[in-house]
Amino acid sequence: NAGVTQTPKFQVLKTGQSMTLQCAQDMNHNSMYWYRQDPGMGLRLIYYSASEGTTDKGEVPNGYNVSRLNKREFSLRLESAAPSQTSVYFCASSAQGNYGYTFGSGTRLTVV
Amino acid sequence: AQSVTQLDSQVPVFEEAPVELRCNYSSSVSVYLFWYVQYPNQGLQLLLKYLSGSTLVKGINGFEAEFNKSQTSFHLRKPSVHISDTAEYFCAVRGTNTGNQFYFGTGTSLTVIP
Repeated sequence: NAGVTQTPKFQVLKTGQSMTLQCAQDMNHNSMYWYRQDPGMGLRLIYYSASEGTTDKGEVPNGYNVSRLNKREFSLRLESAAPSQTSVYFCASSAQGNYGYTFGSGTRLTVV
Repeated sequence: AQSVTQLDSQVPVFEEAPVELRCNYSSSVSVYLFWYVQYPNQGLQLLLKYLSGSTLVKGINGFEAEFNKSQTSFHLRKPSVHISDTAEYFCAVRGTNTGNQFYFGTGTSLTVIP
């Protein structure tokens, strides 16, 4: 099925460990995004990529890095995980113009 | 920049009753407006959007929203809710000329009571 695929769905990390969250879309969308969702705070933008080859910081970029590997893939890396990064992470993509986002199903990350 | 305020964090309502979820935005530019729904343990799905034209927008599952420019509001309504409408609802805004970046509200948890 067409859409946004995120892996893994669940992950538990120890403080200080690193990991990469993967995201791929097959809709030929130009723009891709990483959000985190925390109770009472809604969705906050971490990083986004307006087009292949470009990335920009969002509202809460500290502690994260991203790579826009190609038009389809946009990964999010935690170099040294902290308990404050316990959250649900969503990847999204959008086409140019007036369209809304298409979201992945999320990655639930717990840092202990 | 834009910002979105969802005035109610939790809304309980009895089955078959009407519901309104409130959303206000602030922006110095013209905007596009969206409502998303998130069912438990799932990603967000687009419910409806306002881009231009008629200020009353109809979406999926019987929901509708009305854009009010003077009050900078985009409230979501449904005349008769079902148990299956229990979910988190997010209002979002995007500037018409500021790229594809969206700004989300903090969400409203709708609980439909049998």
